[in-house]
Parts: sequence; C-alpha cells; structure tokens
Amino acid sequence: LAKTTQPISMDSYEGQEVNITCSHNNIATNDYITWYQQFPSQGPRFIIQGYKTKVTNEVASLFIPADRKSSTLSLPRVSLSDTAVYYCLVGLYSGAGSYQLTFGKGTKLSVIP
Amino acid sequence: DAMVIQNPRYQVTQFGKPVTLSCSQTLNHNVMYWYQQKSSQAPKLLFHYYDKDFNNEADTPDNFQSRRPNTSFCFLDIRSPGLGDAAMYLCATSRGTSGRGETQYFGPGTRLLVL
Repeated sequence: LAKTTQPISMDSYEGQEVNITCSHNNIATNDYITWYQQFPSQGPRFIIQGYKTKVTNEVASLFIPADRKSSTLSLPRVSLSDTAVYYCLVGLYSGAGSYQLTFGKGTKLSVIP
Repeated sequence: DAMVIQNPRYQVTQFGKPVTLSCSQTLNHNVMYWYQQKSSQAPKLLFHYYDKDFNNEADTPDNFQSRRPNTSFCFLDIRSPGLGDAAMYLCATSRGTSGRGETQYFGPGTRLLVL
C-alpha cells in the first residue's frame, strides 16, 4: 500500500533550525513534492514545492535526494508562530499501477520559548 | 484578493438529512478538489474536477457526490450523513493537475457536525 511517512511530532526552541523528513518510496515519476502548513481550524497553506535537489524560498528550504524517495523541509530559526502541523503532499503509485494524491500524516511542530 | 471561499464555516445537520457544502473561487483555476479531514488526521482527497471532468477517488463512498456548475463554484453533497461523516471539509483549487508543478490553494474549510 503506497504511503508517506513523517514523524508524528517535534519540539524545538525558538531560533533553532528544524528539519522535517517525509519518506515516499512510491512517488510517481513526474510528480513534485509539496509541503503545507496548517493551523487549527484553517485550511493548509502552501510553504514550498520541489522536484529534485534543493529549493529555497523566503520561508523554507526543501532538500530532495537523487532517488526522490524522501524529502526534508528545513525551517531556519523557528519562532512561536511556526507552531503548526506540517504535511508533505505527493502523488504515489499504488497497487495495480494506479496513482493517488496523498498527504503525509503530518508532523506537529511545537516551538518552545 | 483572489481566494477560495467556503460557506458556511460551520454546518450542523441531522443524521440522514442531506446536506450541501459550497466552495467558490476567484482564481479562475481549472481544478477544484474536495478533501475530508477528521480530527488529528491528514486531509483525504474525495474527488476533484478538472474543468467539467469529474474524477472520483476509488475509496470515496457513494454517499458523497459533487457538482460543478461553472468554473467558479463547486458543491459537495452528502446524501445521507452518518455520525462518521462529521469532519472538516476542505476545498482547494489549482491551475492544473497538482503534483506536477501545480500548487493547491485551500479554503478555510467547513466543519460539519452530525447530530
């Protein structure tokens, strides 16, 4: 069964760098990897997207190894407002050659003052 | 600002009573999605429209239906809500098929309570 795997939760102090990894063994060949942030009672918000190697924007970096079976979201110098759930979203090949757009189970990041 | 709007934000219905949730977008995107998100779980894709083409996920129950009368609007119909259908329902849009360089933009969600 195709799936993604993320740590359930992480704690970090303010000002530290946080790295959250998502594994996705059956990622579809042409699919991008997208990360979202979600606060309680809100819809997910786009953070960053990439296909391979490294992508950086004003809020995060995304590292993707050559085999693309995992990806790591890096948040530099987190603040209290970064406390949220972080999801990876990828297209996966499942049984019988079918394709399914799948969210990871999410990583709850708690930033401590 | 261009955005994805969901109404209502909170919906209460009775067991077995049909309910409709609505979504509208000002982004002029081709694709509209409906997700179900239960407490402390990830969003689960129910179905999506690419323009007028409807794409149902294999494990979406028949109790869930959708309509897209035009580019801007998309509706989620739950024909006979059960207690297990209580959840947050998220609408999202993208220019093209997500995962191939297309970002999904999410609405704030409608929280459905079934009594």
